[in-house]
Amino acid sequence: GAGVSQSPRYKVAKRGQDVALRCDPISGHVSLFWYQQALGQGPEFLTYFQNEAQLDKSGLPSDRFFAERPEGSVSTLKIQRTQQEDSAVYLCASSLAEANEKLFFGSGTQLSVL
Amino acid sequence: EDQVTQSPEALRLQEGESSSLNCSYTVSGLRGLFWYRQDPGKGPEFLFTLYSAGEEKEKERLKATLTKKESFLHITAPKPEDSATYLCAVPYRGSTLGRLYFGRGTQLTVWP
Repeated sequence: GAGVSQSPRYKVAKRGQDVALRCDPISGHVSLFWYQQALGQGPEFLTYFQNEAQLDKSGLPSDRFFAERPEGSVSTLKIQRTQQEDSAVYLCASSLAEANEKLFFGSGTQLSVL
Repeated sequence: EDQVTQSPEALRLQEGESSSLNCSYTVSGLRGLFWYRQDPGKGPEFLFTLYSAGEEKEKERLKATLTKKESFLHITAPKPEDSATYLCAVPYRGSTLGRLYFGRGTQLTVWP
């Protein structure tokens, strides 16, 4: 596709459920980032992959959050035992080069935890 | 602690009424300052990167400038389609450029 694709677009989960959010980056993009955006706030960094290697996961808020990119393309962000404070838009971004000067964002997955 | 503060939080302009958005930062050893535009329900869209004080970049009705303490996004003769949230960001110290610390944004509304 022409841009970064994220699915599902919306996800409603009951508190305690596990969820999986998918990101298809632009073909050929080496780097992939996950960000979390709460309502009225700027995006906050979660984690970063270069190809299949997770180089930085220091932004993940707890051990309930897990991300993977096993073949260096599609990535999945998994949240276990969801809590109400996990409600946010989860944005994925990719970058062509390792310098990561320009990020291309998807439209995000809006997660609501009830 | 590195910080990015944007002002105003919201700005309403009449079509054609020029103005500026401000982004102040407290980062030692700045490696770049980034501007993104975000439309409702969409992810941020890259606009500019500025690397050193005195640098300016332009795109259509937008011009971004950088000093040692702040950046301005000047909007000349805006149109309704310029309505969006404008985000500025700086890279975390010692990390890849793509690991960005974003401000809360300025929500711009341009009415006809």
